Amino acid sequence: TQLLEQSPQFLSIQEGENLTVYCNSSSVFSSLQWYRQEPGEGPVLLVTVVTGGEVKKLKRLTFQFGDARKDSSLHITAAQPGDTGLYLCAGAAFNKFYFGSGTKLNVKP
Amino acid sequence: KAGVTQTPRYLIKTRGQQVTLSCSPISGHRSVSWYQQTPGQGLQFLFEYFSETQRNKGNFPGRFSGRQFSNSRSEMNVSTLELGDSALYLCASSLNPPGTGYNEQFFGPGTRLTVL
Repeated sequence: TQLLEQSPQFLSIQEGENLTVYCNSSSVFSSLQWYRQEPGEGPVLLVTVVTGGEVKKLKRLTFQFGDARKDSSLHITAAQPGDTGLYLCAGAAFNKFYFGSGTKLNVKP
Repeated sequence: KAGVTQTPRYLIKTRGQQVTLSCSPISGHRSVSWYQQTPGQGLQFLFEYFSETQRNKGNFPGRFSGRQFSNSRSEMNVSTLELGDSALYLCASSLNPPGTGYNEQFFGPGTRLTVL
């Protein structure tokens, strides 16, 4: 079992639709990061959430950190083909970095 | 500030050979982690270094080793390559090691290793 459980694993939607990706854990994290990765490239950091209940917006992307700092979500409004990629959540706990298994998003034009 | 750099970007080797990959972290970052990424297994943690010391190690055989230099640059070595070692190898740097204050990792572009 992974410390960070990410869902869904795969998501295929039409351009213009909304979607939410979830990242859950039974452990408390001091902060959580969200990354987006394109094939053959390294993950790119999108955002770090630190405070329980925090909401951060990055254009059409909204990131939320749970009140208890055990879970986070990423919501994309009006998805575009350029949003296609692998989304990963990550965090540090027990002196290690942990990653979710990723959500592969495909946005069809 | 320059990002994390990894060299080489692409590498083709044959079974039994050995390979050394290099990573230069963001200036000022002293923690470097290595990951193996394959389509089937996702992102797998290899090891993490801070101030030239290996702090954490993943579940990989002893053929995988690494080190960090005094300037925080890091190398990883894979000896006696196997077909299953074909993967994208990613290096990430952070200001602090995990568990010490605010920390987030920044990734390099990766080294694509193909073992024939």
